[in-house]
Amino acid sequence: GAVVSQHPSWVICKSGTSVKIECRSLDFQATTMFWYRQFPKQSLMLMATSNEGSKATYEQGVEKDKFLINHASLTLSTLTVTSAHPEDSSFYICSASPGLAGGGYFGPGTRLTVT
Amino acid sequence: KNEVEQSPQNLTAQEGEFITINCSYSVGISALHWLQQHPGGGIVSLFMLSSGKKKHGRLIATINIQEKHSSLHITASHPRDSAVYICAVYLKGAQKLVFGQGTRLTINP
Repeated sequence: GAVVSQHPSWVICKSGTSVKIECRSLDFQATTMFWYRQFPKQSLMLMATSNEGSKATYEQGVEKDKFLINHASLTLSTLTVTSAHPEDSSFYICSASPGLAGGGYFGPGTRLTVT
Repeated sequence: KNEVEQSPQNLTAQEGEFITINCSYSVGISALHWLQQHPGGGIVSLFMLSSGKKKHGRLIATINIQEKHSSLHITASHPRDSAVYICAVYLKGAQKLVFGQGTRLTINP
């Protein structure tokens, strides 16, 4: 099946620093990528949807200046958490879609801890 | 009422048992996903299906579009199958997944 990778799988950073998370589709071209976050014991929450070459569409309540999303190529999207704070500590998951109506394939997730 | 309902919410079984997890939804969909999430958090895409049945190893997923229902079956369950299984539906006409609340499966040796 289709493979989506994320890097890093976990990261610890100090409050105030920025962290970049990469999402790659390894064996297909992803015209659309989705970014989710998940708090402990809760379901995944969609943060934003990005289409290659255009600006991301953010869900209500998600700060676009804090969570910068770049989808510059058909195989790579990045999420940058700027000026991270402890409340940004969460599990961040991407999914990548080849453009078929289906929602895509999920990456394994990145656990961010902000100290 | 949630648009996607999973049952049961928790399931404990003995190694070797046949497991069924159900997912019902109330909206029009173009596809349904079954995901597995282990305690460490990592998510694995198990299946994406829009009709019929798919099989991968000991896992089988079925969907009945008319009845708006899907099942995930695990044959010859093993303790390593212990995880949270999540059903998610892709809304027809929208670029959005709606998630079920998950089923926590524990397989005891």
